[in-house]
Amino acid sequence: DAKTTQPPSMDCAEGRAANLPCNHSTISGNEYVYWYRQIHSQGPQYIIHGLKNNETNEMASLIITEDRKSSTLILPHATLRDTAVYYCIAQGSGGGADGLTFGKGTHLIIQP
Amino acid sequence: DTAVSQTPKYLVTQMGNDKSIKCEQNLGHDTMYWYKQDSKKFLKIMFSYNNKELIINETVPNRFSPKSPDKAHLNLHINSLELGDSAVYFCASSQGLPTSMEQFFGPGTRLTVL
Repeated sequence: DAKTTQPPSMDCAEGRAANLPCNHSTISGNEYVYWYRQIHSQGPQYIIHGLKNNETNEMASLIITEDRKSSTLILPHATLRDTAVYYCIAQGSGGGADGLTFGKGTHLIIQP
Repeated sequence: DTAVSQTPKYLVTQMGNDKSIKCEQNLGHDTMYWYKQDSKKFLKIMFSYNNKELIINETVPNRFSPKSPDKAHLNLHINSLELGDSAVYFCASSQGLPTSMEQFFGPGTRLTVL
């Protein structure tokens, strides 16, 4: 599993786009980038994943640099309910048999 | 409908006791997992089960034993509880290999050992 580095905390104003960076400079060619979040006292929630191309779903967009050494999760219109710890994970398919390896994540605080 | 459920939500017990945490998923997934989140909020994989077979066993004490009566359930039994076992335990499930991109987590069980 590739090591990921994220800022420990970030603030964002409600209604603005929240851009969460992740560095995974040692990612290998078959490792995906996953994003999960954990809202206080709840179980982690899957957000999005990608391999090489940028991805978008109803929750967020994932921008992966061409060299795949870093990525950015974008929440286009952050709301107070998006306050959570966001985890960037670089691993093989789904974590598969190994489960997911969570780091310390970024505590995103949405300000009203 | 709850996708992944765990019981109990809270569990307070004395050192040395034996306890179980139950997990059920109604998603028809093939693989289920147990994670432990300690007081420092680090979330770590403990076990995973695929088609009722244990396919990973992290370096957890053998006091912890997962048991899967069927594909929809993965229970966690803990013997001789110790203070250091206090944590939040999360169950999760996924569609299974090789395309298990998304894991669905339960709400967690907060275990406190006194």
